[in-house]
This record gives sequence, C-alpha cells and structure tokens, in this order.
Amino acid sequence: DSGVTQTPKHLITATGQRVTLRCSPRSGDLSVYWYQQSLDQGLQFLIQYYNGEERAKGNILERFSAQQFPDLHSELNLSSLELGDSALYFCASSLSGVSEGYTFGSGTRLTVV
Amino acid sequence: LAKTTQPISMDSYEGQEVNITCSHNNIATNDYITWYQQFPSQGPRFIIQGYKTKVTNEVASLFIPADRKSSTLSLPRVSLSDTAVYYCLPTDSSNTGKLIFGQGTTLQVKP
Repeated sequence: DSGVTQTPKHLITATGQRVTLRCSPRSGDLSVYWYQQSLDQGLQFLIQYYNGEERAKGNILERFSAQQFPDLHSELNLSSLELGDSALYFCASSLSGVSEGYTFGSGTRLTVV
Repeated sequence: LAKTTQPISMDSYEGQEVNITCSHNNIATNDYITWYQQFPSQGPRFIIQGYKTKVTNEVASLFIPADRKSSTLSLPRVSLSDTAVYYCLPTDSSNTGKLIFGQGTTLQVKP
C-alpha cells in the first residue's frame, strides 16, 4: 500500500457519459498530480494541484476537469466520454515538489464502451 | 525540461547486474535525475534520485558523470521480479513539480 488511495479501481461506462475519479493523497502530502496512461500514448501528465490550487497543467482535454478539496483529496471529472478516453488514470502525491519523489496510487482503469 | 533517450528494451538473466543508460544532453543546471519503475497495471514507483556523482540505496545505484549529460541506473543481481519498465526523468527542483515521462526502458529478466 503506497498510501495514495484511488477509487474506484475499475469503471466501465458508455460513450457520452460523465465519471468522477477520486484520489486521497498520502498523509501530509500537499501536491496531487493526475496522469493518464493508454497503450499508444504512454504516461501523460494531466494536471497538478498544490494545497487546493491549480499549479500546473499538461495535456488535459477541455472535457476533463479536476479540483483539490480543503481536506486535500482530489477528484478528476471526465465528461462526454469517448472510446479513446479508455485508459489507466493515476494519481500521485508529494509533500511539495519533486525532490523527494512522487508516490503513485494503483490507478483507476476506465473502459468506455 | 531536457529530452531523454533510453533504450526501448533490454534483456537480462537472473543474477546479473543490469545497467540502463539514459542520455539527457540538455539537462538544466538545477535539474535532478530521477528513476522510476513501473510494473504492468501499477503506478510508477520512485527508485532513486541524484544530482551528480554516485548515489546508492537498498535497491539500486545511480551514476552521473561530471558533465551530467547522461546517467546510468545499476540494478545488482536482478531477479524475475525486476521485470518492469524503467523511466529516467530530469526533474525540476522547483515546486512546479510536474514529472514528464518518456517511453522508458522495458527490462525483461529471464530465468
């Protein structure tokens, strides 16, 4: 157990639907990062939050949004889902920056049918 | 962030030492070099990080020459359970913090 909790572990939904992925960071970590991993794209950075505020943005589609709550858990919202959104979505956390390394969760596998 | 080049794949046998080299010619002065390991369907796991010379922990060693244009991850006496993808990443020491993963090196350890 890495200390980063992601729910649900698996999700199957239809095209056009909306889903919410949840991440609880490791105790004490202030930064949360979201990544998408598909077979043809590798690990893609989506977005980072630090203590409730957006800190950095990567290749995140406009149909996707995220937020970090006061208790530091984070949610990634995916809407108008397409078949190509099927992927593993990972959340990672760190205390502040990269110098101590990130801790990744076990991921949510999203299948869009 | 600096672009990295790693071998796409490597094969080894149990008990051997494995060295994976990563090129990062344009690494910034304040960037660290960090290596992550990823097993199928699991999140990447931090292995080791260094700035220059040599760093060793219970899992691996990291060698970074003085010019810092490359680095070598050394895994002593690999086992079948070391079969995984290994990523080399220059990491910005600022608090922007995002990690950009390349394609990584798929290490296959054979019995």
